[in-house]
Amino acid sequence: KNQVEQSPQSLIILEGKNCTLQCNYTVSPFSNLRWYKQDTGRGPVSLTIMTFSENTKSNGRYTATLDADTKQSSLHITASQLSDSASYICVVRLWPNTGTASKLTFGTGTRLQVTL
Amino acid sequence: NAGVMQNPRHLVRRRGQEARLRCSPMKGHSHVYWYRQLPEEGLKFMVYLQKENIIDESGMPKERFSAEFPKEGPSILRIQQVVRGDSAAYFCASSPTDRRYGYTFGSGTRLTVV
Repeated sequence: KNQVEQSPQSLIILEGKNCTLQCNYTVSPFSNLRWYKQDTGRGPVSLTIMTFSENTKSNGRYTATLDADTKQSSLHITASQLSDSASYICVVRLWPNTGTASKLTFGTGTRLQVTL
Repeated sequence: NAGVMQNPRHLVRRRGQEARLRCSPMKGHSHVYWYRQLPEEGLKFMVYLQKENIIDESGMPKERFSAEFPKEGPSILRIQQVVRGDSAAYFCASSPTDRRYGYTFGSGTRLTVV
């Protein structure tokens, strides 16, 4: 069964600190992996998208890594800000990329809270 | 570019009533997807539509749920005879023809069945 598991389930950090969120998947064959940020009461917003051949991708203070061999990805947030408080969702897409939308598998997310 | 617009943001229905959720995709996007998010769960795919066509409805419950994306106007997700278990956040996403560029999500409609 294709699954995406994220850890930790929730995380509280102090403003200015760094943190790393984990995503393990069993989706196969793999096409790409995306990280989304979902603020409370809002829809998910894309942060990064990585294909099989990409190991790392950055978007400002967000850096995502991908190890397609071990089927693991991480999202590293540097110098956290209060506005980073949100759920971070890992989404994996099955190959082939031109398939239907049902080929996306969503993780349940990591709830990050950044405090003063 | 107003993004993906969903309305209403919140909808309260009594058991047995009908719920209609609307989604206007981003300008230039011809693909619409509906997802449901139950509390403490990830988003689950429901249906994928293009103008006047249902492409993939493998995530739609067999009964009471229907979706359309007419030639003119927004996409509609319709839930007939709602039950308490339908209470969830329903998200719409849209994408351009080339889906490699990903999806843009709306802010969702929170349906509460009382």
